[in-house]
Amino acid sequence: AQSVTQPDIHITVSEGASLELRCNYSYGATPYLFWYVQSPGQGLQLLLKYFSGDTLVQGIKGFEAEFKRSQSSFNLRKPSVHWSDAAEYFCAVEPSNTGKLIFGQGTTLQVKP
Amino acid sequence: SAVISQKPSRDICQRGTSLTIQCQVDSQVTMMFWYRQQPGQSLTLIATANQGSEATYESGFVIDKFPISRPNLTFSTLTVSNMSPEDSSIYLCSVSRGVNTEAFFGQGTRLTVV
Repeated sequence: AQSVTQPDIHITVSEGASLELRCNYSYGATPYLFWYVQSPGQGLQLLLKYFSGDTLVQGIKGFEAEFKRSQSSFNLRKPSVHWSDAAEYFCAVEPSNTGKLIFGQGTTLQVKP
Repeated sequence: SAVISQKPSRDICQRGTSLTIQCQVDSQVTMMFWYRQQPGQSLTLIATANQGSEATYESGFVIDKFPISRPNLTFSTLTVSNMSPEDSSIYLCSVSRGVNTEAFFGQGTRLTVV
């Protein structure tokens, strides 16, 4: 069965520090891959997506993610975290162009001043 | 992009009652979906809302509990029937325009059943 794993439930970083959120998926082929962010009381906002092509994708708010087929991973990175980045981050995959998303458990990011 | 309006944004309901959640999109979309996010959990797909026909439900979700309508390409409703406290969740509407496009989400409906 397809699945998405975000190994880190909670991460705390200092403002200005770099960030990497991990995401691994289980799927027979290359799925479409997404990262969403959910701020408290808000819906989900798309940070970036990977469909094909360049494996390093740029997103909004200074985020980027790298697709590594050999590791079945799609890790999210940001070189310098801002206090406003504190939120819940979800990795998601879309198998077989169905439009349906399978979400990871989410990673809660806390930013220390 | 797509602008999605979801109503109500939150509600507190008595057990045994039903609540209908509306999802309105500002333009026609190919796909519409309903997700549930239980407290402190991730999102789980409930069903795909099909225009003019019965919704397609995921494993563990049934039409009697979560009837869904989609009369046109911009509107859908999800009803949570005969509610119990276990139904307390955030329910989110999601839309997609089709192949090689991302999904957009409404702000969600925060439901509390007492």
